[in-house]
Amino acid sequence: DTAVSQTPKYLVTQMGNDKSIKCEQNLGHDTMYWYKQDSKKFLKIMFSYNNKELIINETVPNRFSPKSPDKAHLNLHINSLELGDSAVYFCASSQEFVETDPYRYQETQYFGPGTRLLVL
Amino acid sequence: GNSVTQMEGPVTLSEEAFLTINCTYTATGYPSLFWYVQYPGEGLQLLLKATKADDKGSNKGFEATYRKETTSFHLEKGSVQVSDSAVYFCALRESSNYKLTFGKGTLLTVNP
Repeated sequence: DTAVSQTPKYLVTQMGNDKSIKCEQNLGHDTMYWYKQDSKKFLKIMFSYNNKELIINETVPNRFSPKSPDKAHLNLHINSLELGDSAVYFCASSQEFVETDPYRYQETQYFGPGTRLLVL
Repeated sequence: GNSVTQMEGPVTLSEEAFLTINCTYTATGYPSLFWYVQYPGEGLQLLLKATKADDKGSNKGFEATYRKETTSFHLEKGSVQVSDSAVYFCALRESSNYKLTFGKGTLLTVNP
C-alpha cells in the first residue's frame, strides 16, 4: 500500500556511467516531482510533471533527463555520472487540479523514501 | 525570489523539554507554509501546514502559526520525546507555483 515508491533505494556506481531511478505513485495524483538532497541535507527541486507535461525544469545539467510515461510514473535518467551527483534523490507527488474546486491550490506533496546515489 | 530561513541547529534537548524551531520566509505573494519531518534513513513526511495568515497547523503535539506580519512560521512542541529526533524542514509554496522552497533543515536530537 506504499503511496510513493522509488527504485532502487541505494545506487553505487562509477563515474561516467549512465543510470536511471524510477518512481511510481498509487495516489492517483496528477503532478510528480524530483528533488535533490545534498550532503548538507539541503533540498532543491529539479523537475516537475503535470499530467505527463514538464512544468518545472530548474537549472539542472542536461545530463539529467526526466521521463513520464504516464501520470503514475516519473523516471530520472542520468548520463555520464559525476562525483557531484552523489546525493539523495526524492520523488514526490501531489494533486493539483480538483475538479470540484478549480481555485484550490497548494496541495500537499507526498514524498517517496529516497534513492541514495553514490558515485565513485 | 522566494526563500526560507530556519535555525540550522543542531538542537539537542532532554525528553519533555520545550521545543522551538524558528522559521522565517520571503515571498512575493501569499504562500502556503509547511513543516516536513525526515526521520533517520527515511523520506520526508508532512508534519503540518497552514495556508493563510493566522492559521495554526497542528499535528502530533507540534504547532505552528502563520504570522504574516513577522513572515514567520515557528515550530513548537511543549514536551518532546526521544522519538521526535529527526530533521525538520520549513517550506513554502506560492499559490501559482508548483514547487516547494525548503529551508536548510534543523537536526533535533532528544536525549532520554
